[in-house]
Amino acid sequence: KQEVTQIPAALSVPEGENLVLNCSFTDSAIYNLQWFRQDPGKGLTSLLLIQSSQREQTSGRLNASLDKSSGRSTLYIAASQPGDSATYLCAVSTHTGANSKLTFGKGITLSVRP
Amino acid sequence: DAMVIQNPRYQVTQFGKPVTLSCSQTLNHNVMYWYQQKSSQAPKLLFHYYDKDFNNEADTPDNFQSRRPNTSFCFLDIRSPGLGDAAMYLCATSTDPGTGGYTFGSGTRLTVV
Repeated sequence: KQEVTQIPAALSVPEGENLVLNCSFTDSAIYNLQWFRQDPGKGLTSLLLIQSSQREQTSGRLNASLDKSSGRSTLYIAASQPGDSATYLCAVSTHTGANSKLTFGKGITLSVRP
Repeated sequence: DAMVIQNPRYQVTQFGKPVTLSCSQTLNHNVMYWYQQKSSQAPKLLFHYYDKDFNNEADTPDNFQSRRPNTSFCFLDIRSPGLGDAAMYLCATSTDPGTGGYTFGSGTRLTVV
């Protein structure tokens, strides 16, 4: 059974700091990994999608890497801003077709202090 | 913009009174999912439709049902809500399960009183 872990559960940093959010998963047989952002009381916004054959993806100040063999992914946020404060969840996609599903971590709640 | 829309954003229902949550999509994705997310927990998959085929997770309570009358719409029915069913309910779609990304709606926050 696939398990996704995100540690720590919460993180507080001063504005402007570069930071790394970690995600680990137990079964390396994934098809892709997706990072989401969730604001309080809201749904999930997709940030980055990394296919299993890829090593990293970039969007603006965000960079996500994937090391499938070691079961790890990182989300790098450059020059953090108060507007980045949210919960960041990673999720891995296993199986294909009718059995495909996303398995989530519990998320990391990030607070960026002005 | 093509998107996944959930209605209502907030739903208050009485203990034991049936409630239906709605999800619609303009993406023409063939797969639709319902997730339950409780406070500070990971979203948990309840069930999904692959086209018209319904796939129920083994640990989804019988109290939860779903309907997908067409490609665009999917409904979550809770037959007799209990206090423990209070949660955020998230609808998601995917066009290429396992290789494509998932698109989520804004969620419906369900309160049971």
